[in-house]
Amino acid sequence: QKEVEQNSGPLSVPEGAIASLNCTYSDRVSQSFFWYRQYSGKSPELIMSIYSNGDKEDGRFTAQLNKASQYVSLLIRDSQPSDSATYLCAVKLLGGGGADGLTFGKGTHLIIQP
Amino acid sequence: GAVVSQHPSWVICKSGTSVKIECRSLDFQATTMFWYRQFPKQSLMLMATSNEGSKATYEQGVEKDKFLINHASLTLSTLTVTSAHPEDSSFYICSARVNGDIQYFGAGTRLSVL
Repeated sequence: QKEVEQNSGPLSVPEGAIASLNCTYSDRVSQSFFWYRQYSGKSPELIMSIYSNGDKEDGRFTAQLNKASQYVSLLIRDSQPSDSATYLCAVKLLGGGGADGLTFGKGTHLIIQP
Repeated sequence: GAVVSQHPSWVICKSGTSVKIECRSLDFQATTMFWYRQFPKQSLMLMATSNEGSKATYEQGVEKDKFLINHASLTLSTLTVTSAHPEDSSFYICSARVNGDIQYFGAGTRLSVL
């Protein structure tokens, strides 16, 4: 079964520290990977997309992809209390999640402690 | 990012009635939209892929006669929950594909069936 796995947490990080969120996926041929942030009761908002092995940086966020290990991560530097949310890893699994849809992990609940 | 408008944001209905949810792309044309459902503390589950001018593609286990999808124009997709029952109570979220595999989400509709 095609899957996207995340540790549900909660992950508690002190304000100003680096938060590290991890995700593994089952399909070796997946090509598109996304991180979404979802506040309680709200819909997901896109943070990062990544398609190639290595790191991709955008402001305080860095996405890391390792296709050989089937692993994608998100680093949040200088964590702020406003970063407290659930972070969803999403993968376009070829042959899963519909023809074009994304398969989501269950999300990691991140808490930034002031 | 691209703007996807979803309406209504919250609806309460009696068991056995039908509810229509609208999803609009406000500043772009979306040939493909997606409908997801999210139960409390669960991840997003893809229900169907909505294609402009053709029939929707439903995920396994989703009843197409219960969840009617119409994508009549490049900016509007609708989901109608027919003969709603309490077990249909959930958070329904639409998304539109913008560039490549990137999807932007509407604000979501919280459906409560009494």
